[in-house]
Amino acid sequence: AQSVTQPDIHITVSEGASLELRCNYSYGATPYLFWYVQSPGQGLQLLLKYFSGDTLVQGIKGFEAEFKRSQSSFNLRKPSVHWSDAAEYFCAVSGGGYNKLIFGAGTRLAVHP
Amino acid sequence: ETGVTQTPRHLVMGMTNKKSLKCEQHLGHNAMYWYKQSAKKPLELMFVYNFKEQTENNSVPSRFSPECPNSSHLFLHLHTLQPEDSALYLCASSQELGGNSPLHFGNGTRLTVT
Repeated sequence: AQSVTQPDIHITVSEGASLELRCNYSYGATPYLFWYVQSPGQGLQLLLKYFSGDTLVQGIKGFEAEFKRSQSSFNLRKPSVHWSDAAEYFCAVSGGGYNKLIFGAGTRLAVHP
Repeated sequence: ETGVTQTPRHLVMGMTNKKSLKCEQHLGHNAMYWYKQSAKKPLELMFVYNFKEQTENNSVPSRFSPECPNSSHLFLHLHTLQPEDSALYLCASSQELGGNSPLHFGNGTRLTVT
């Protein structure tokens, strides 16, 4: 069965520091992978997605993620965090012909000035 | 502005009330979804509709009753809810059912059951 693990529940970084949010998945074939962000009081917004091809994908707001099949990981990165990046981040996996997304539990990011 | 609009944003209801949540998408998508987001729990898929037809009911209690009159509108009718049903209810849509069709979410309805 598909599953997604986000090992870090909370992360705090200083503004301007680099960021890496971890995501590990379990899926029998090549998955479709997604990162979503949720700001307080808002719904989820798609940051980026991986379907196939180049394993380093670029997203909105300066985020990128790298698919590593050997590690079953899809970690999200940003070289320099802004205070407005404080939010909750969700990794999700899907596959096959049916869009049943499985979400991780989320990582809440706090940004110190 | 989100392409998926949910109303109301907040709802407080007693356990004997009947209320409805509304979702409308302006993206021309064919699939619509209801998710439940509770504190400290992963997002839970509740219902899926494709071209107005329900394709999934994820073992949701019958006190939640969805309705999809067309591909642009989705409702969640609520009756005799329990306090543990308090949560953020998110509506989403996608162009089609399929693993490569990203979801677009509304801002949710924050439901409190008293």
